[in-house]
Amino acid sequence: DGGITQSPKYLFRKEGQNVTLSCEQNLNHDAMYWYRQDPGQGLRLIYYSQIVNDFQKGDIAEGYSVSREKKESFPLTVTSAQKNPTAFYLCASSQTGNMNTEAFFGQGTRLTVV
Amino acid sequence: ILNVEQSPQSLHVQEGDSTNFTCSFPSSNFYALHWYRWETAKSPEALFVMTLNGDEKKKGRISATLNTKEGYSYLYIKGSQPEDSATYLCALGFSNTGKLIFGQGTTLQVKP
Repeated sequence: DGGITQSPKYLFRKEGQNVTLSCEQNLNHDAMYWYRQDPGQGLRLIYYSQIVNDFQKGDIAEGYSVSREKKESFPLTVTSAQKNPTAFYLCASSQTGNMNTEAFFGQGTRLTVV
Repeated sequence: ILNVEQSPQSLHVQEGDSTNFTCSFPSSNFYALHWYRWETAKSPEALFVMTLNGDEKKKGRISATLNTKEGYSYLYIKGSQPEDSATYLCALGFSNTGKLIFGQGTTLQVKP
């Protein structure tokens, strides 16, 4: 079945460690996005990519990094510079970056710093 | 940072009631407005994508309107059912940057 797969579903990290969240899609979509959700807040845009080998910072990119070496993959690294990394992370994709098509979402990764 | 405001933040209605939520935004310099439904333990799913002022979309008991001149979109649910219980998100899509910016959502609880 076509869709977006995020892994792992739950992730625990020690303070000071970098961790990478996986996002893979087999929908042949050009655009991919990473969002963060905190309790009581909406989805905030971390990074997005309109096309392979290109990506842009969203509204809260500090402490995060991404790569888009393949069309189907958009991994997010949460670095030790991210001061409050405990959150729910959602990955999404859309057919193009021109916004007239719906976005499809993964099931999310819940990251907890211990 | 662009603020996409949704109201109310939460809503409790009885089965059979009709209800509506608002998504408001300060700028019309966007390409499309999206509505998503996010049920507990599931992924958000698209309801509508609207691109034109005065656009109206309908899917079963759910409909949406868009007024870009006055900066709002309404989502209507007619005859709410318990299975409509979810968080409803609106988002603005900007074709010049490729950004998709979400509001905080409206959480609907429909009591049987």
